[in-house]
Amino acid sequence: KQEVTQIPAALSVPEGENLVLNCSFTDSAIYNLQWFRQDPGKGLTSLLLIQSSQREQTSGRLNASLDKSSGRSTLYIAASQPGDSATYLCAVTDSWGKLQFGAGTQVVVTP
Amino acid sequence: GAVVSQHPSWVICKSGTSVKIECRSLDFQATTMFWYRQFPKQSLMLMATSNEGSKATYEQGVEKDKFLINHASLTLSTLTVTSAHPEDSSFYICSASLGPANSPLHFGNGTRLTVT
Repeated sequence: KQEVTQIPAALSVPEGENLVLNCSFTDSAIYNLQWFRQDPGKGLTSLLLIQSSQREQTSGRLNASLDKSSGRSTLYIAASQPGDSATYLCAVTDSWGKLQFGAGTQVVVTP
Repeated sequence: GAVVSQHPSWVICKSGTSVKIECRSLDFQATTMFWYRQFPKQSLMLMATSNEGSKATYEQGVEKDKFLINHASLTLSTLTVTSAHPEDSSFYICSASLGPANSPLHFGNGTRLTVT
């Protein structure tokens, strides 16, 4: 059974610092890995999707890497801003399109 | 971009009543839709997978007679919580896929259900 773990569970940084969020998964047979952002009481916003054949994806200040063989992904957010405060979830997709989510990392960026 | 609309965004109901939640894909046809439940400060847990025109596939531990899923068209799936109880209070989120497993999923904004 696939298990997805996110470390740390919570993170607080001052504005301007870079954020590093970690995600690990136990079964490397995945189709892709996605990083999502969730604001309190809201749905999910997809940030980055990395296909299993890719090593990384970049969008603006966000960069996500994927090491499928070791079962790890890292989301980097450069020059954090208070608006980046949210919960960040990673999820892996199996061959049926089912997502298995991690528990998330709650991020607070202080002005 | 693809948009998934979920309605209602919040609902309060009395114990014993039923509640229907709708999930619509607005600008694409979704062959597969997924329903998730999220308890406070926990991650999303997949409840069931619905494919248009066929019965939903429920995850282990999810009561199919309690959580009725209907995917009658390529743009609409509904989740009905029957005979709701306070322990069913949760945040329910749907997502839709174009079909291939490597396609990105698009999520609705969720429905906050409170059963009193």
